Amino acid sequence: DVKVTQSSRYLVKRTGEKVFLECVQDMDHENMFWYRQDPGLGLRLIYFSYDVKMKEKGDIPEGYSVSREKKERFSLILESTSTNQTSMYLCASSFLHPGGSYEQYFGPGTRLTVT
Amino acid sequence: GNSVTQMEGPVTLSEEAFLTINCTYTATGYPSLFWYVQYPGEGLQLLLKATKADDKGSNKGFEATYRKETTSFHLEKGSVQVSDSAVYFCALTVNTNAGKSTFGDGTTLTVKP
Repeated sequence: DVKVTQSSRYLVKRTGEKVFLECVQDMDHENMFWYRQDPGLGLRLIYFSYDVKMKEKGDIPEGYSVSREKKERFSLILESTSTNQTSMYLCASSFLHPGGSYEQYFGPGTRLTVT
Repeated sequence: GNSVTQMEGPVTLSEEAFLTINCTYTATGYPSLFWYVQYPGEGLQLLLKATKADDKGSNKGFEATYRKETTSFHLEKGSVQVSDSAVYFCALTVNTNAGKSTFGDGTTLTVKP
């Protein structure tokens, strides 16, 4: 089974603190994604990466950065947290299935609260 | 651009009732279509998928048929259980750009005994 793990399930931070959220996948997938999930807004893509050291902005990259130094690991960085970054953060990985489609595999999520 | 519109929730049903959650999409190219499910406190997991027109995806009693003519992928189950209570997301992927997915807003299903 594909496993995607995230470094923390719950985090509480103060405004202005720096936060690293780490995501690791064990199936050698090329692509990795960071989303945030908020009530009534569904999943919104923050950043994604299609290879080591390669990244692209998603729909809401402001206030975030990412790092992918190794294929299995994709980190989301919040340089200076603000209360509007309180959210559930979901990491996912994907590959091109032999049947010709991409399927995403999700981690359990990190619920970040910024006070 | 690509978009997915799914039935607004929340949806509340009694056990053994019939479930339909509507999903329609717009996409450039030929998308693959997915339903993901999120149980409380967990991430999303793939429920079923269809990769071309008229394909039917099925899993755990759930079904959805890829209808190109109506650009729809409605989720159905004949008899829901309390354990089906979760949030359901419809999604599409076009096989470019690292398989970036577009998700609907999610529909919360509660099944009462």
